[in-house]
Parts: sequence; structure tokens; C-alpha cells
Amino acid sequence: GDSVTQMEGPVTLSEEAFLTINCTYTATGYPSLFWYVQYPGEGLQLLLKATKADDKGSNKGFEATYRKETTSFHLEKGSVQVSDSAVYFCALSVNTGGFKTIFGAGTRLFVKA
Amino acid sequence: NAGVTQTPKFQVLKTGQSMTLQCAQDMNHNSMYWYRQDPGMGLRLIYYSASEGTTDKGEVPNGYNVSRLNKREFSLRLESAAPSQTSVYFCASSDRGQVTQYFGPGTRLLVL
Repeated sequence: GDSVTQMEGPVTLSEEAFLTINCTYTATGYPSLFWYVQYPGEGLQLLLKATKADDKGSNKGFEATYRKETTSFHLEKGSVQVSDSAVYFCALSVNTGGFKTIFGAGTRLFVKA
Repeated sequence: NAGVTQTPKFQVLKTGQSMTLQCAQDMNHNSMYWYRQDPGMGLRLIYYSASEGTTDKGEVPNGYNVSRLNKREFSLRLESAAPSQTSVYFCASSDRGQVTQYFGPGTRLLVL
């Protein structure tokens, strides 16, 4: 079945460090791929998305490229800030008559000043 | 424009008690969803409603029922709560033909 695997956390970085959170997926068909972010005490919110192979999603300095050949959608940011501390979820969505979204387990990021 | 709202924010139940979690959205979205979030397991879909008047089971529906009261509201009911239902519950909505979901702030439920 369809699934998403992302790197386990927590990930702890110093401010201005480079961030990579790995995400790979298994899906039949052609899914859309997402990164959602959850700040403490809040619900998830969309960070970025890509709907077809080789698309790059970007937002707030984060970016991820839809790689069909490696079934990956790794999240990157060149210089993290303390305010980026949150839980990041990789997800895929497939059209099965309606859209079904499958989430990874989440990766917690701590950024130290 | 409040987006997706959920009530209550936090609830403590005893085993066997019942309760209803409320969700409402003001974005005129057709589809609504209920998820539970447990440590290390991401979000798992409990039930969803593709449009007003329809509901379908998700990955983990046992022990839950839902009602799509109208286009705005989608409630989740626990008829006889069990400790295994201790979790954080999120409601979400999406527009017809759109893949992006919009989430509420969550309800933290503790079943003793």
C-alpha cells in the first residue's frame, strides 16, 4: 500500500545551520507530495507542495524537489532559525475518487540559539 | 475568517463515558476529515466526508462514529471511551478537487 517514511528525530541544530529532513514514499500512480509543519500547541499547516515529478516546492526558505526516480521529497533549508523549531510531516496524496492523504510519522526539529 | 475550529481544546474522560468532538469550517470546503495523532505514528485517518451527506471509514474507524451535520460541521463521537483512545484529534477540510488540507488546532483527549 501507499506509505511515507521520514527520518526519525529529534534533529537538533544550531541557528544558521543547514537542514535536511529525508522523506521517501511508496505509491501507486502519481501522488502529490507535501511538507506540513506543526508548531507547538497548534494544528498542521501546509509548508510546501509539489504535484508532479521534478517540481520544486518552496516557502519561507524551505524547499523540496519531487524526485520520481528515487521516490523522495527531502526538505532542505540553508540557514535555520530558532523560530523553525517544530514538527515536520512529509505526506502524499493520491486521487482515489476523492483525495486520500498519508502522513509520515513526523520529525521534530529543535534549533538552538 | 476563523478557518477550522474545534471544541473542546482538552477533555478528560473516564473509561466507558461518551463524548462528541465538534469541528466547523468557514471556508465553504466540501471535504472534511478526522485524524488522530499519536507519538511516532504521524496522523491516522479515522473518518472522512467527501461531501455533505456522505461519510466513509478511514484507517482506524473502530470505536468512533461521525456525523456530517451540514457543509460546515463534522462531528466525531466516542460512544464508550477506552484508554487506547487517548490521543490528540485533528479535524481538517479541503476544497473539491484540491489536495491541500487545512487543519484545526486539535483536541487533546485523555481517557482514564
